[in-house]
Amino acid sequence: DIQMTQSPSSLSASVGDRVTITCRASQSISTYLNWYQQKPGKAPKLLIYAASGLQSGVPSRFSGSGSGTDFALTISSLQPEDFATYYCQQSYSAPFTFGPGTKVDIK
Amino acid sequence: QVQLQESGPGLVKPSETLSLTCTVSGGSTSRYYWSWIRQPPGKGPEWIGYIFNSGGTNYNPSLKSRVTISVDTSKNQFSLKLSSVTAADTAVYYCARDHDQLLFAYWGQGTLVTVSS
Repeated sequence: DIQMTQSPSSLSASVGDRVTITCRASQSISTYLNWYQQKPGKAPKLLIYAASGLQSGVPSRFSGSGSGTDFALTISSLQPEDFATYYCQQSYSAPFTFGPGTKVDIK
Repeated sequence: QVQLQESGPGLVKPSETLSLTCTVSGGSTSRYYWSWIRQPPGKGPEWIGYIFNSGGTNYNPSLKSRVTISVDTSKNQFSLKLSSVTAADTAVYYCARDHDQLLFAYWGQGTLVTVSS
């Protein structure tokens, strides 16, 4: 199985801050990497696909980068509705695995 | 608009079989990849498996011996059965559908299943 790790596991930030979350795969996955946002009691919501593709309807302050084993999700200017937990997920090979998550909360 | 809704018992006894159904609106279950995903409390999601083309399946090897996913196209539903459950199977269970090669593009709201006597 491909193992996914994320850092940090949590962070505190203020509205307007630039935030970057990193994700690492245990082997190369090219750009088969997706990012999700999850709010309490809700299903994960797809934000970024194929490492850098912005899902329809997602604000442009979200961006993704990376290839191979190292990836990043950046929020250019954090908004109140962005406080949530973020997960990366590899779609390179089954079993399709998720990272443990990064919780973004209010400083 | 695609909508998915999970249903089934919220409490299952240890050693018994967990059974859930996902009812689909806005798309036919005879097409697409239909997945089950679970998320234990406080942890990341875990892919359980999918069914496609009304019969092909692919399961997570860690659960493969206990999992069956099936589809009922006449009811536009697909189902999950997980046998011999333990407390470690306590989780929110989600159903999901693909779109444009994105395997988990659409999600249901999820249903909490607790394994306890």
